Amino acid sequence: GDSVTQMEGPVTLSEEAFLTINCTYTATGYPSLFWYVQYPGEGLQLLLKATKADDKGSNKGFEATYRKETTSFHLEKGSVQVSDSAVYFCALSNAGGTSYGKLTFGQGTILTVHP
Amino acid sequence: DSGVTQTPKHLITATGQRVTLRCSPRSGDLSVYWYQQSLDQGLQFLIQYYNGEERAKGNILERFSAQQFPDLHSELNLSSLELGDSALYFCASSVGPGQNYNEQFFGPGTRLTVL
Repeated sequence: GDSVTQMEGPVTLSEEAFLTINCTYTATGYPSLFWYVQYPGEGLQLLLKATKADDKGSNKGFEATYRKETTSFHLEKGSVQVSDSAVYFCALSNAGGTSYGKLTFGQGTILTVHP
Repeated sequence: DSGVTQTPKHLITATGQRVTLRCSPRSGDLSVYWYQQSLDQGLQFLIQYYNGEERAKGNILERFSAQQFPDLHSELNLSSLELGDSALYFCASSVGPGQNYNEQFFGPGTRLTVL
C-alpha cells in the first residue's frame, strides 16, 4: 500500500537558519503530495501541495518539489523564524483503487526554532 | 479557522463506555474524513463519507462506527472503549468525492482520554 517516510526528528534550528525536512513516498499511480503543519493545540493546516511530477508547491517561504524519479517531496525554507516552530507532516493522496483521496501521512517532524 | 467544527473539544471517559464525536464540514463540502492521531500510530485514516454514503474505510476498529447525516454533519461512535483508544480524533472535509488533488480542511480535533 501507499506509505510516506519522513526524516527522523526533532529538528532544532536557530532563527534565520536553512531548513530541510526530507520526505519520500511509495505509491502506485499518480498521487498528489502535501505538506501539512500542526501548531501546538491546533488542527492540521495545509502548507503547500503539488499534484503532478515536477510541480513546485510554495507558501509562506516554504517550498517543495514533486520529484517522481526519486519519489521525494522535501520541504525547504531559506530562513526560519521562531513562529515556524510546529510539527510538519508530509502526506500523499491517491485517488486510485479504493483510496478515494484519503491522506496517508508520514510520522511528523517536530521543528523547534530558537531566537 | 478552517471552517470545520468538531465537538466536544475534550472528552474524558472510562473503559467500556461509549462516546460520540461530532463534526460539521465546511459549507459546501460533501466529503468528510475521520483520522486518529496517537503517539504510537501517528496519524491514521479511519473512514470517509461522501454525501451521506461511506466511500472508503481505513484502519477502523469494529467497535467504531460512523455516519453522515442529510445535513452533511458526521458522527463517529466509539464503543467498548479501551485505554488504547485515547487519542486525538480529527475530522476533515473536502469538496469532492475523493479526487487526490482536493485539499482537505481539518477541524481542531477532539481529544479523547480513556481512564
